[in-house]
Amino acid sequence: RKEVEQDPGPFNVPEGATVAFNCTYSNSASQSFFWYRQDCRKEPKLLMSVYSSGNEDGRFTAQLNRASQYISLLIRDSKLSDSATYLCVVSYGYGNKLVFGAGTILRVKS
Amino acid sequence: SAVISQKPSRDICQRGTSLTIQCQVDSQVTMMFWYRQQPGQSLTLIATANQGSEATYESGFVIDKFPISRPNLTFSTLTVSNMSPEDSSIYLCSVERSGRGETQYFGPGTRLLVL
Repeated sequence: RKEVEQDPGPFNVPEGATVAFNCTYSNSASQSFFWYRQDCRKEPKLLMSVYSSGNEDGRFTAQLNRASQYISLLIRDSKLSDSATYLCVVSYGYGNKLVFGAGTILRVKS
Repeated sequence: SAVISQKPSRDICQRGTSLTIQCQVDSQVTMMFWYRQQPGQSLTLIATANQGSEATYESGFVIDKFPISRPNLTFSTLTVSNMSPEDSSIYLCSVERSGRGETQYFGPGTRLLVL
């Protein structure tokens, strides 16, 4: 079993749609949680950190359920520019080791 | 955030040779890491580059194959030794300022093709 599992997609959605991504992690000692975005042929960039209380940044909402070891990302009012691969990332251990999911591909179409 | 540069940005190498990749940060950071992203795959941590001591390698990665240096708090190198086509990948460095599990920022990556 992979440490961080994501639905690879692709998710093909029209502009304006709401789309949700899910992620599960296996290590209960995981300490921090993130969503990164990676555009084609580019490095990953932090989209948002994820907290147990849930957090929102504009059109993006992230949720964490520690009991179920489950993380989600909701994107409302999708834009063409949201098309990318979304990486679920958890960290634990000395030195903040990051473990990446395989990524979920989102394609927003007009 | 941090401004991170990597050199070279890309290279094509012959098997059996070695390539050293440099990572430079615009400010002092506590933690520096090296990752590999193979074609169509997600990122895998190779090692943590420790300033003033030997790097800490993840399972499946060894110092003889991927020697790492970190002479100061703003610079690190990763060498890919005795390359084979299976080493063709993107190699990325990342940094975390505080060492307290905060956000990591990534360099632009080095695209390596081994023939």
